[in-house]
Amino acid sequence: SQQGEEDPQALSIQEGENATMNCSYKTSINNLQWYRQNSGRGLVHLILIRSNEREKHSGRLRVTLDTSKKSSSLLITASRAADTASYFCATLEGGGNKLTFGTGTQLKVEL
Amino acid sequence: SAVISQKPSRDICQRGTSLTIQCQVDSQVTMMFWYRQQPGQSLTLIATANQGSEATYESGFVIDKFPISRPNLTFSTLTVSNMSPEDSSIYLCSVERAGDRKYGYTFGSGTRLTVV
Repeated sequence: SQQGEEDPQALSIQEGENATMNCSYKTSINNLQWYRQNSGRGLVHLILIRSNEREKHSGRLRVTLDTSKKSSSLLITASRAADTASYFCATLEGGGNKLTFGTGTQLKVEL
Repeated sequence: SAVISQKPSRDICQRGTSLTIQCQVDSQVTMMFWYRQQPGQSLTLIATANQGSEATYESGFVIDKFPISRPNLTFSTLTVSNMSPEDSSIYLCSVERAGDRKYGYTFGSGTRLTVV
């Protein structure tokens, strides 16, 4: 399987703390994307980082990409209870149009 | 960006029967993607559906089990045929948000299927 790996599998933090999730992948990519899924519903696109970018910000989200290590991280700062969800990284291979998803991280933010 | 209406949102089905899932997009898109998410797992691509041609299936998925229709550029269906409890999963459709791959993909809200 070409599926990427994410760690940790599960993360529990207090509101206000930062949450960091890591993603590793196996192939050369065009871009890497992060998605959120609430309670087994549809996925919501959070942020996309291209293979020639190293860092990207969007609101409380910060994504880094290291193509030499084939890894990415997602940082959520000042977490809120509403951030409780599963987070997935997904890669798009160069020249392709199919997303390959990581195994996911379950984040729980407690009040 | 595209908006997808997916239905049904959930269903409980008897083994041996079939269920057809529909996805309607509010704009024309070239490709639609169908995924399966087994309980507690990540998403696995079932097939890519292009208008006017046969769907392209990923390894491990076959047309007899998961027939797909794509009659026009805004609509697609996935049928889960001759269901068994192992087919209990969330099924999702997806499209690219824009043609230049800058903005990621949009997903339907998913169909939670339970086979009893």
